[in-house]
Amino acid sequence: AQSVAQPEDQVNVAEGNPLTVKCTYSVSGNPYLFWYVQYPNRGLQFLLKYITGDNLVKGSYGFEAEFNKSQTSFHLKKPSALVSDSALYFCAVRANTGGFKTIFGAGTRLFVKA
Amino acid sequence: DGGITQSPKYLFRKEGQNVTLSCEQNLNHDAMYWYRQDPGQGLRLIYYSQIVNDFQKGDIAEGYSVSREKKESFPLTVTSAQKNPTAFYLCASSPDRGTGNTIYFGEGSWLTVV
Repeated sequence: AQSVAQPEDQVNVAEGNPLTVKCTYSVSGNPYLFWYVQYPNRGLQFLLKYITGDNLVKGSYGFEAEFNKSQTSFHLKKPSALVSDSALYFCAVRANTGGFKTIFGAGTRLFVKA
Repeated sequence: DGGITQSPKYLFRKEGQNVTLSCEQNLNHDAMYWYRQDPGQGLRLIYYSQIVNDFQKGDIAEGYSVSREKKESFPLTVTSAQKNPTAFYLCASSPDRGTGNTIYFGEGSWLTVV
């Protein structure tokens, strides 16, 4: 069965420090992986995706994510956090089998303290 | 500007009432989706449509209905059969349901039972 896990409900980081939001997945076949951000009372905004190729994917607002096939992970990272990065982050996975269904994680809340 | 418009932003439903959430997109996307978001549970798929006049049930379709009479419109009706409808509802679209395609979201609608 296809699944995605975000093991941390909340991540706290000081402004200017690097941040990591973790995501692991389980799919049959090749995974297609996505990160979204949600600000309060808003829809989800697309940050980046991994389809194929380079394992390091760069996205919007200085975010990047690293695909690790052996660890089945797709962690979101940013070298220097901003207070404005505080939001809810969702990882999503889609397999190229089983009807291309997209599964979303439960979300990780990021707090960046000034 | 191209995008996905959901209305209303806030809606209150009385017990036994049906209510309809509107979703319109001008992105010329073939696929459209409805998700429900509850705290701590991520996003759950209610219905999706790959083409006009066709739609499929998602994971939690009971108590909901949809139509897809036009490419740009995918309204969701929350019927009285949905016993716990209070949630944040997100409409989304993608060029099609191909594996690498990004899903884009509207700003969401809050539904509250009073």
